[in-house]
Amino acid sequence: SAVISQKPSRDICQRGTSLTIQCQVDSQVTMMFWYRQQPGQSLTLIATANQGSEATYESGFVIDKFPISRPNLTFSTLTVSNMSPEDSSIYLCSVWRHVSAEAFFGQGTRLTVV
Amino acid sequence: KNQVEQSPQSLIILEGKNCTLQCNYTVSPFSNLRWYKQDTGRGPVSLTIMTFSENTKSNGRYTATLDADTKQSSLHITASQLSDSASYICVVTITSGTYKYIFGTGTRLKVLA
Repeated sequence: SAVISQKPSRDICQRGTSLTIQCQVDSQVTMMFWYRQQPGQSLTLIATANQGSEATYESGFVIDKFPISRPNLTFSTLTVSNMSPEDSSIYLCSVWRHVSAEAFFGQGTRLTVV
Repeated sequence: KNQVEQSPQSLIILEGKNCTLQCNYTVSPFSNLRWYKQDTGRGPVSLTIMTFSENTKSNGRYTATLDADTKQSSLHITASQLSDSASYICVVTITSGTYKYIFGTGTRLKVLA
């Protein structure tokens, strides 16, 4: 399995501000992803974090709103920029392990924008 | 359109009882199907994984089945415990150049004492 440390675990932020979420993995992984889970909903993929290059964003998500960094194979950050109450959600980091063909998830960051 | 639908949306059962959660999918090309358990405020944790050729897979009190012909899967929980209270998410993996997860809407299970 993969041990994923995600922080902060929760935060309450003012609208118009930005929050950066960190994801640290205990070993090198090729594929890292960021998901959003809105209240009562399932997970929605925001983007694939690519090491050494720009992230690949899914339809409906843009880099200006959700800038992502991936400086190495064990770490990534997701920033939620210029937040509004609609951004209140759980944000999850995920990694893919080819050996077991399985995705592992961080504990999530519960964001509330007021 | 790739979709994964789950039923029921929510379920309440008494401790010690059994229950079955359903998952229907229209996903192509199919690689595998997983059931995840997500405790409130936590990330999803994998319970079982099944490939196209597997019909059933058990993990303790959890037993998953897969019918690739009808594109249906079920998760059966035996002798439920209070700690089983969680959301259960059916996830289908597709491989078209790269791996991609299609998440179901989830079933929220509440086990009462």
